[in-house]
Amino acid sequence: AQSVTQLGSHVSVSEGALVLLRCNYSSSVPPYLFWYVQYPNQGLQLLLKYTTGATLVKGINGFEAEFKKSETSFHLTKPSAHMSDAAEYFCAVSRSSGSARQLTFGSGTQLTVLP
Amino acid sequence: ETGVTQSPTHLIKTRGQQVTLRCSSQSGHNTVSWYQQALGQGPQFIFQYYREEENGRGNFPPRFSGLQFPNYSSELNVNALELDDSALYLCASSLGGGGSSYEQYFGPGTRLTVT
Repeated sequence: AQSVTQLGSHVSVSEGALVLLRCNYSSSVPPYLFWYVQYPNQGLQLLLKYTTGATLVKGINGFEAEFKKSETSFHLTKPSAHMSDAAEYFCAVSRSSGSARQLTFGSGTQLTVLP
Repeated sequence: ETGVTQSPTHLIKTRGQQVTLRCSSQSGHNTVSWYQQALGQGPQFIFQYYREEENGRGNFPPRFSGLQFPNYSSELNVNALELDDSALYLCASSLGGGGSSYEQYFGPGTRLTVT
């Protein structure tokens, strides 16, 4: 079975400060990992993904994440927070269920950006 | 390129009733997945349809059922609604089969309230 743990359900940073959202996963096979962002009353938007290859993955809006197999982590970072980054962030791992490929999500981290 | 669309946006139903939610997949995508997102939680996988067949299911009872049509649009049907069915229902489309990509692209969701 695969699972995702997001440490910290709420994270607050000042505008211009580093954003670090933590994600740890468990997987019996090499994982495919994703970060999604959800703005209020909206669906999920894909920020970035890791499937194979380079372990440092760059995404949209200046976000990046590093896959660390030894630590089973896939933390999301952004050097400088903007007010527009305030949203809920979900880490997800993809696994096969029969012929389907489903996403298993963490419980989410609400990011607040303070002026 | 047309994104994933869902209808209706909001819906209020009474316990015991039946509901149908609709989803149009992103242009070029042949796979649709449905997720339930309860308040304050991450999305939970309900099932996936590929080429009009269900090819994977999460831990949801049979009163959750679906259809996929030749144009790859999809419906989610829920019978005998319960209060705990109140949630945001998200549809995600992707490219499955031999040309599988691992990204799923989400629609804005349907907010279902059961009273």
